[in-house]
Amino acid sequence: DQQVKQNSPSLSVQEGRISILNCDYTNSMFDYFLWYKKYPAEGPTFLISISSIKDKNEDGRFTVFLNKSAKHLSLHIVPSQPGDSAVYFCAASSNDYKLSFGAGTTVTVRA
Amino acid sequence: DVKVTQSSRYLVKRTGEKVFLECVQDMDHENMFWYRQDPGLGLRLIYFSYDVKMKEKGDIPEGYSVSREKKERFSLILESASTNQTSMYLCASSRAAGNTIYFGEGSWLTVV
Repeated sequence: DQQVKQNSPSLSVQEGRISILNCDYTNSMFDYFLWYKKYPAEGPTFLISISSIKDKNEDGRFTVFLNKSAKHLSLHIVPSQPGDSAVYFCAASSNDYKLSFGAGTTVTVRA
Repeated sequence: DVKVTQSSRYLVKRTGEKVFLECVQDMDHENMFWYRQDPGLGLRLIYFSYDVKMKEKGDIPEGYSVSREKKERFSLILESASTNQTSMYLCASSRAAGNTIYFGEGSWLTVV
């Protein structure tokens, strides 16, 4: 049973606009959340993270929001650029060794 | 920068063959992981290791085994490859529990 869910398999956005990626989780013990970006034929690269003591974390064009009561997090990319076209994975951890991943959302940024 | 190196990027093996996938990390990380990625399923954990000679099953360990004889090296073994093991395999490492995991570039395995 997947504990981390990304219900939108794909997202298409125009260059310069905002991309919003959503992620839901079921395990209330998760306390650390991450987003990874993956290009085809490459390994995932770490993008941004947030711990459960925060509700927002920013890094340049990327912002992650956490709503613990709703067990929901989102990644905002502003402004979207062509190089942002990739698969984005949401992941969560309960301070053990493992990360649980969502199925991924494929983002396509249109020129 | 963390460097996780997977020695084989692309492999084609026959059903029933024994397959070794090798991974080395250069950051003295305690933990190492093997995931596989399949379309629509995301990344699923096969095995992980939190210390030399220690291993723990992940979510899908059936048909796989691992070896960690040295801290920097973690090997994934397919004892008898089957077509349903055709996938992208990703090795990763992290410094400690709850830390960010860093991935290698992946190994594409096709079993025919």
